[in-house]
Amino acid sequence: DAMVIQNPRYQVTQFGKPVTLSCSQTLNHNVMYWYQQKSSQAPKLLFHYYDKDFNNEADTPDNFQSRRPNTSFCFLDIRSPGLGDAAMYLCATSRGSYQETQYFGPGTRLLVL
Amino acid sequence: DQQVKQNSPSLSVQEGRISILNCDYTNSMFDYFLWYKKYPAEGPTFLISISSIKDKNEDGRFTVFLNKSAKHLSLHIVPSQPGDSAVYFCAASVYNQGGKLIFGQGTELSVKP
Repeated sequence: DAMVIQNPRYQVTQFGKPVTLSCSQTLNHNVMYWYQQKSSQAPKLLFHYYDKDFNNEADTPDNFQSRRPNTSFCFLDIRSPGLGDAAMYLCATSRGSYQETQYFGPGTRLLVL
Repeated sequence: DQQVKQNSPSLSVQEGRISILNCDYTNSMFDYFLWYKKYPAEGPTFLISISSIKDKNEDGRFTVFLNKSAKHLSLHIVPSQPGDSAVYFCAASVYNQGGKLIFGQGTELSVKP
């Protein structure tokens, strides 16, 4: 089945220790998104790639970076995680960016100690 | 500034009856709306969408209604089943923002046997 895969499902890191979350897709979609969802809140877009073009949201902290080495993979790097970065991180993909359905992975829950 | 609002954090419905989940928005530029369902520890699963040029879209037990003048959409589930118990998110996008979804905070639906 075509799908969006996120690894790991749970990640524990220490305050200030860099961490990388991974997302892969078998849908061959052009667009990949990273959302952050804190407890009982709405998912919030951090950034997205349309092919190799990176699009950062204006209010995404500099602490968050992303890489997309090829169509299938996209990474979220948190350079110096703070306690406030503990959240569920959701990866999504879509074929295009105009009135397209986004398909989500299962998410990675990040805990910062 | 919460552009998409789901004012009911929870809803309880008897099996076989209709579930109606509501969503209000403030941005008149939104032109595409989606409903997602989310189980604990899983990513959101796409349910149904509607373009702003329509006022109704139906898929099996799920119907979405859009009232542009009231900036309101609703999801009807008929008949409701216990397996429908989950958190439901509405989301909206604007045509020129790269597919960015703005989510509501979700409504937890509980369908009782």
